[in-house]
Amino acid sequence: GQNIDQPTEMTATEGAIVQINCTYQTSGFNGLFWYQQHAGEAPTFLSYNVLDGLEEKGRFSSFLSRSKGYSYLLLKELQMKDSASYLCAVLDSNYQLIWGAGTKLIIKP
Amino acid sequence: GAVVSQHPSRVICKSGTSVKIECRSLDFQATTMFWYRQFPKKSLMLMATSNEGSKATYEQGVEKDKFLINHASLTLSTLTVTSAHPEDSSFYICSALGESSYNEQFFGPGTRLTVL
Repeated sequence: GQNIDQPTEMTATEGAIVQINCTYQTSGFNGLFWYQQHAGEAPTFLSYNVLDGLEEKGRFSSFLSRSKGYSYLLLKELQMKDSASYLCAVLDSNYQLIWGAGTKLIIKP
Repeated sequence: GAVVSQHPSRVICKSGTSVKIECRSLDFQATTMFWYRQFPKKSLMLMATSNEGSKATYEQGVEKDKFLINHASLTLSTLTVTSAHPEDSSFYICSALGESSYNEQFFGPGTRLTVL
């Protein structure tokens, strides 16, 4: 079956750095997305990786290793507004998005 | 660019009534739209894939007669929850497939449905 694993919840301190991991087992791979979702709102796009390596976009970076079925989202200089759920999703061979359950990130002052 | 709107944002209805939710791509044409359902503290669950001008493709376990999907134009898809029951109460989110080369989905703001 298809499976996306990510931690349920993480806590970090304002101004610090946090890494959210995602491992996946899917039928085929056409890219991996990270989305941010605040409570009661729809997801918003953060990043897309299809090749191995690190993609940096401001305070957020996303890494992919296809051979290991592994990705992480790195958030630097954490701000209180970064408190949200972070969803990892993989586009499978049918170009269907397979979603992880999301990681709830709690930022403390 | 790539804005998706959803209406209504919140709806409360009586059990047995039908509710229609609209999803519009405002500044791009979307041949493919997706309808998701999300329970509290859970991830998104794909209900169906909606293609303009053709019948929607429903995921296993989703009743097509209960959740009617119509994708009548390149900018509008509708989801009608027929004969709603309290267990249909949920957060419904639509997304539209963008025009970029990497199949990014742009999400609407979601509709909170409460069935009394």
